[in-house]
Amino acid sequence: GAGVSQSPSNKVTEKGKDVELRCDPISGHTALYWYRQSLGQGLEFLIYFQGNSAPDKSGLPSDRFSAERTGGSVSTLTIQRTQQEDSAVYLCASSLGPRNEQFFGPGTRLTVL
Amino acid sequence: GDSVTQMEGPVTLSEEAFLTINCTYTATGYPSLFWYVQYPGEGLQLLLKATKADDKGSNKGFEATYRKETTSFHLEKGSVQVSDSAVYFCALSEDQAGTALIFGKGTTLSVSS
Repeated sequence: GAGVSQSPSNKVTEKGKDVELRCDPISGHTALYWYRQSLGQGLEFLIYFQGNSAPDKSGLPSDRFSAERTGGSVSTLTIQRTQQEDSAVYLCASSLGPRNEQFFGPGTRLTVL
Repeated sequence: GDSVTQMEGPVTLSEEAFLTINCTYTATGYPSLFWYVQYPGEGLQLLLKATKADDKGSNKGFEATYRKETTSFHLEKGSVQVSDSAVYFCALSEDQAGTALIFGKGTTLSVSS
């Protein structure tokens, strides 16, 4: 079956602009995660959605970052007023449940000029 | 907070050499431990895992044993192949409420023929 998909695969934006990154999880997976992979920081957790529960936002680095998950499926990560330090690969993962294997998407490479 | 430390690379080996990538962790509870692999141009994939002390995870000739006494989860392979060239990430997840993965910084392995 189809894996986790993310779009766009690459995004180049100017400092100060807002960006939206999309994640389509595997069908039927109730848990969805966003991570960020950058040269300086490695792989960092950003936010976690489980079913209809309130998301765990403990990894979001600032209030410029937000995410939503509509209808328990597709998720959008929004970064407002982008900064150069936001440049990274943003990875989405989904799992059948909270303690199941996480399957990762190919990522969105964000470059902020 | 919880953390994962793994040896920095790059690690450069000849085909059929023995591989060890060290990984140690700090955790307050009883985490599950993972090794993920990222092949060139591909997304993160789960390589192996162990969920309790003394468990051994294995896959594709790779092994790692969960050592609680030394808080370690070293990755080993007896005979590496060129196709094993990739970036390897050690990770943990808390076994309780939090299920987000905490990753090490990754180790790049390059195998030459």
